[in-house]
Formats: sequence, structure tokens, C-alpha cells
Amino acid sequence: EVQLVESGGGLVQPGRSLRLSCAASGFTFDDHAMHWVRQAPGKGLEWVSHISWNSGSIGYADSVKGRFTISRDNAKNSLYLQMNSLRAEDTALYYCAKDMGLRYFIQGQVHYDYYGVDVWGQGTTVTVSS
Amino acid sequence: QSVLTQPPSASGTPGQRVTISCSGSSSNIGSNTVNWYQQLPGTAPKLLIYSNNQRPSGVPDRFSGSKSGTSASLAISGLQSEDEAEYYCAAWDDSLNGYVFGTGTKVTVL
Repeated sequence: EVQLVESGGGLVQPGRSLRLSCAASGFTFDDHAMHWVRQAPGKGLEWVSHISWNSGSIGYADSVKGRFTISRDNAKNSLYLQMNSLRAEDTALYYCAKDMGLRYFIQGQVHYDYYGVDVWGQGTTVTVSS
Repeated sequence: QSVLTQPPSASGTPGQRVTISCSGSSSNIGSNTVNWYQQLPGTAPKLLIYSNNQRPSGVPDRFSGSKSGTSASLAISGLQSEDEAEYYCAAWDDSLNGYVFGTGTKVTVL
């Protein structure tokens, strides 16, 4: 069974930092890109960041660019989100999510096509408040 | 700020058909496949439709998706009380180099 378990959320003061972790199991972790998606209280889903299977391609939403850093450790089947300079508007439930694309090889070259999220964790809550 | 636009609400009586639209642009829906998610209250989203019109195992065939140009739609036929939830469309956006979600549509079963 595919499982994603987030941890590291909590209450933090504005301007401080927090590091989220996501432990993955039940699938070949380094075959897939991964995402972080957040949902503010009573609001919709907001994509935060993605990282390719080998960390070679990374992207961020404009709202977090320059403050958040995504990373992964394929040996540990883990995904991370380092969040610095936190603001009140970063308060949300943060989901770790698996991309349904797969890496594949053509004439020895590795390729990856993003198809979006198919599996979600249960989320970890981040509250930024003084 | 959501890049994909959905109506805020939709409703129907049990057994009716409900359709939800999702409007995007050439950099997202126009050039990539669309996924749909169902989010029941207090739970994580669940993949409902992928690659425009494919259903994951376990999703009832009452749910169907389609795409045309820069728009997509989700149809729920034979509406049931357990379909009351928030629904989101999503697609990869080549310009943003990211995954974008719709604004969300709350479906109410009257």
C-alpha cells in the first residue's frame, strides 16, 4: 500500500523557520517526482513545490519562492520542505504528494513526464502566529 | 492565486446529473492533461479522474471527465448523497513550471 506520512508541523512565530518531512513507502520512491501542496483553513488547494526523481528539476510557487526549499533523500525514501521567513499567510495544512509520472529511458537517456498528483498524505499543520 | 477557474458551487437532487467546468489557458489545460480530485470534509483530496478521462481503480463510473481546448469538465451522473464534497481540477502549467489547481467547486446534494 502506498503511504505518505508527513511530520514536523507546529506553531511557529512569524519570521522563524520550520522543516517538514514526509516518509514514503509502498512504491519505488526514486521513480517519481514529489510535490508539496498546502491548504489554508477554509480555502482551496495551493501547489507549493515539486522536485524531480533525481532532484535535477525543482519548482516553486511564487508565494514561497526564495523562502522555501524542497529536497529529497532517495536512500531514506524521504521528502523535505525547509520553510524560512514564515508569514501568517503560510498557515495551512501541508500535504506531501506523489506524482503519477514515471521515469523512463529512450536510447539510454532518462526522461520524466509530470502527470500530477495521485497519492496524498494526511497532512501536517503549520500555524504561523505570534 | 488559482490559475484554473471553476464555479464556486453546483447542486442537484439524488439521481440527477451535475457538471463542473474548469477553464484554463494554453500553458496548462491546452497543452497538458487534466486531473480531478474529490475532497470530502476533513479528509485529504482523492484522485477521481486522471489524464482527462481515466478513472483510477475503485472510482465509480458515475464520474466522467472530458477536455476540449483550454477547458475541461467533470460530470457526476446518478448523483448520490455521498458525492457531497469539494471538487478540484488540476493540470501541469508549462509557463509556471508547476502544478496548478482550480478554485474548487462545492457540490451539494439537495
